[in-house]
Amino acid sequence: AQSVSQHNHHVILSEAASLELGCNYSYGGTVNLFWYVQYPGQHLQLLLKYFSGDPLVKGIKGFEAEFIKSKFSFNLRKPSVQWSDTAEYFCGAGGGNKLTFGTGTQLKVEL
Amino acid sequence: DAGVTQSPTHLIKTRGQQVTLRCSPKSGHDTVSWYQQALGQGPQFIFQYYEEEERQRGNFPDRFSGHQFPNYSSELNVNALLLGDSALYLCASSFGSGGAGTDTQYFGPGTRLTVL
Repeated sequence: AQSVSQHNHHVILSEAASLELGCNYSYGGTVNLFWYVQYPGQHLQLLLKYFSGDPLVKGIKGFEAEFIKSKFSFNLRKPSVQWSDTAEYFCGAGGGNKLTFGTGTQLKVEL
Repeated sequence: DAGVTQSPTHLIKTRGQQVTLRCSPKSGHDTVSWYQQALGQGPQFIFQYYEEEERQRGNFPDRFSGHQFPNYSSELNVNALLLGDSALYLCASSFGSGGAGTDTQYFGPGTRLTVL
């Protein structure tokens, strides 16, 4: 069965701090990996995705994620967070017609 | 260009009742997926519709059913409501036959269902 684990449920950072949100997945077969973000009052939207090729994926707003196959991980990173990055972040793993999300990480960035 | 829209915004029902939620996909999109998001949880995949057929289903009972119309809009029906069905129901649309696990999905604002 597919599953996605996000171990950090709540993260609080100061502006300019570096960010790394963990994501581990369990999936049989070829997997596509996603990070979606939900800013306060907005809809879920895609941050970045990995299908194949370069395991380091660049997304919007300076985010990146690294696919490490041996660790079944797809951690999200940003070198320097801004107050506007305050949001809930969801990791997803999928293939074909189904996408499985993790429980989400609530990030709060303080000024 | 309208994004994904859902109606109603909020809904209150009692146990045993039936409910219908509606979704209009983003313009140009032909695939609709439905998710249930309980409080403090990530969205859970219910099913996906493409070409008016259910193409994939998550671990949800048959009480959850859906429909896709020729204009690509979709309905989610839940029968015999239980207290545990209280959640935010999200609709997501995408284009193409790749599916929810492949294509970029655009999410709507959701319908908040409360079952008393």
